Amino acid sequence: AQKITQTQPGMFVQEKEAVTLDCTYDTSDQSYGLFWYKQPSSGEMIFLIYQGSYDEQNATEGRYSLNFQKARKSANLVISASQLGDSAMYFCAMSNYGGSQGNLIFGKGTKLSVKP
Amino acid sequence: NAGVTQTPKFRILKIGQSMTLQCTQDMNHNYMYWYRQDPGMGLKLIYYSVGAGITDKGEVPNGYNVSRSTTEDFPLRLELAAPSQTSVYFCATGRNTEAFFGQGTRLTVV
Repeated sequence: AQKITQTQPGMFVQEKEAVTLDCTYDTSDQSYGLFWYKQPSSGEMIFLIYQGSYDEQNATEGRYSLNFQKARKSANLVISASQLGDSAMYFCAMSNYGGSQGNLIFGKGTKLSVKP
Repeated sequence: NAGVTQTPKFRILKIGQSMTLQCTQDMNHNYMYWYRQDPGMGLKLIYYSVGAGITDKGEVPNGYNVSRSTTEDFPLRLELAAPSQTSVYFCATGRNTEAFFGQGTRLTVV
């Protein structure tokens, strides 16, 4: 069965520093997608970044990058130059392109707190 | 473009009552999903639909029903509300590379 594991319930980072949020996944599928979402205290789910299992290069979106290590089944999110507005819950998720296309399986999340 | 619109935003139900959570999308996507998020947890898939007239169960479907008569609408029905259904409900639509979420419905069953 597919599974997403986020082992860091909470993280602190100093403003302007970089931070890495860990995510490992388990799947027997060859084709899958990995996602990161941000959930601020207001509750909405904000899409950050996507990595396909066949993508050879790590995905980047502005200050966000995804450190994809396929052999280790890890998909860590790196936030560079942290800002106070980055304080939020961060969820790693995975979809498969098999029978249930696009359905997302979520980890339990990491709460990031950015200190001024 | 409103994206994904959910109503209501908040609701308190008594045990045994029923209600329908509404979800509408104007993005013309075939795929739509309902998730629930319990406190301190990630989202779990309740039901999904790959197009009008086609629905299927997700990870936690018990106590819920859905229908998909149009591309735009994907309502979620709770028939006999139970305290275990207290949660935040998210409707989403999308494609393989991204899902677009509604603002969520916070439901409390007392």
